[in-house]
Amino acid sequence: QQQVKQSPQSLIVQKGGIPIINCAYENTAFDYFPWYQQFPGKGPALLIAIRPDVSEKKEGRFTISFNKSAKQFSLHIMDSQPGDSATYFCAASGAFGNEKLTFGTGTRLTIIP
Amino acid sequence: EAQVTQNPRYLITVTGKKLTVTCSQNMNHEYMSWYRQDPGLGLRQIYYSMNVEVTDKGDVPEGYKVSRKEKRNFPLILESPSPNQTSLYFCASSQAASGRGELFFGEGSRLTVL
Repeated sequence: QQQVKQSPQSLIVQKGGIPIINCAYENTAFDYFPWYQQFPGKGPALLIAIRPDVSEKKEGRFTISFNKSAKQFSLHIMDSQPGDSATYFCAASGAFGNEKLTFGTGTRLTIIP
Repeated sequence: EAQVTQNPRYLITVTGKKLTVTCSQNMNHEYMSWYRQDPGLGLRQIYYSMNVEVTDKGDVPEGYKVSRKEKRNFPLILESPSPNQTSLYFCASSQAASGRGELFFGEGSRLTVL
């Protein structure tokens, strides 16, 4: 199965809170898990990515947590700001015939002041 | 400036009137791809190309055609558009021929088919 399930579909968080977006995958051949951020009227852009040899990766206020046994990964945004309001997509791909990047359905995040 | 350029950005057309959405990248990328974005469905791949003259179907290719005659260009052709092709379309490119690397997206083309 080339499927990535993402939740929630939408999320509203107060400024300074920690929104968490979750993704689950089925294909054990997946070994690359990027997150893309999309602002209104723009195309998605790579935000952060992780490979399964580590359980966590931080870049600034953004953290990916990865649980290989559960086949789940999540995005946490520390000290969220109104400027983080965007749609976030998780994705996954693998090697050897699984290279195609499969996207989740997206989470529309709103950070309220 | 490295970019993926799509045109037109907005288009309203009628059922059956052929249209082409152009896509051009200036990063000398091997891999190019088209996606459509629909509410609740995320980004779904339509077609992709790993090199000049090499194209293949994605997840939702029905009703679309593509061509890759030059490395920088990857137009999306709707021979006979139908209302269910009303969507937001994105072209993307990647340095990795397999498409596994970072994808660079255009700003999107919003198509309405009446």
